[in-house]
Amino acid sequence: EAGVAQSPRYKIIEKRQSVAFWCNPISGHATLYWYQQILGQGPKLLIQFQNNGVVDDSQLPKDRFSAERLKGVDSTLKIQPAKLEDSAVYLCASSLGVAGGENIQYFGAGTRLSVL
Amino acid sequence: AQKVTQAQTEISVVEKEDVTLDCVYETRDTTYYLFWYKQPPSGELVFLIRRNSFDEQNEISGRYSWNFQKSTSSFNFTITASQVVDSAVYFCALKISNFGNEKLTFGTGTRLTIIP
Repeated sequence: EAGVAQSPRYKIIEKRQSVAFWCNPISGHATLYWYQQILGQGPKLLIQFQNNGVVDDSQLPKDRFSAERLKGVDSTLKIQPAKLEDSAVYLCASSLGVAGGENIQYFGAGTRLSVL
Repeated sequence: AQKVTQAQTEISVVEKEDVTLDCVYETRDTTYYLFWYKQPPSGELVFLIRRNSFDEQNEISGRYSWNFQKSTSSFNFTITASQVVDSAVYFCALKISNFGNEKLTFGTGTRLTIIP
């Protein structure tokens, strides 16, 4: 079974530029998550989708970050404009999304973003 | 609010030694779930175990074992007869029972190095 796919693996941009990350979840997984992992810290949830609807985006800096999951499958996370403090690894995860189920989150390898 | 503390930032042991990674959590909820994930150098988080707050049974899986104690709010992870392949960053995480919201709160991780 294919895991969570993310691209690109690495991205270097200058501050004030824009960047986009792509994620394809495990087939059949209804729930998709984007986490931000700053060096030396644990991942922090940015946004959770259930199919193509947003469940939780309380920690997403909406003035510069946006995310979409239009067809309820793959997803894109965008940063515009980027700041130095956005340098981090952006992890995508997915889970079955069954009510009352275990809903284990499975993670992709992440995109490492460096903002110069 | 939920909080997970992993006080050990880095641990180094010689191969074949046993090692225990500590995890202490805080939550006011009576129903919650605890997780351990492994993050090898490749970057993706690998799921190891999930425990719910009503199941205090210890668990053993091969060389891995977990000790869950509600009285001390701890969920410790022991690797027996460590191997070089166990070198990674290990994260403990907490999820409260909040239907539909699957947010994981992670600790800051423990970097484990196994010396051959």
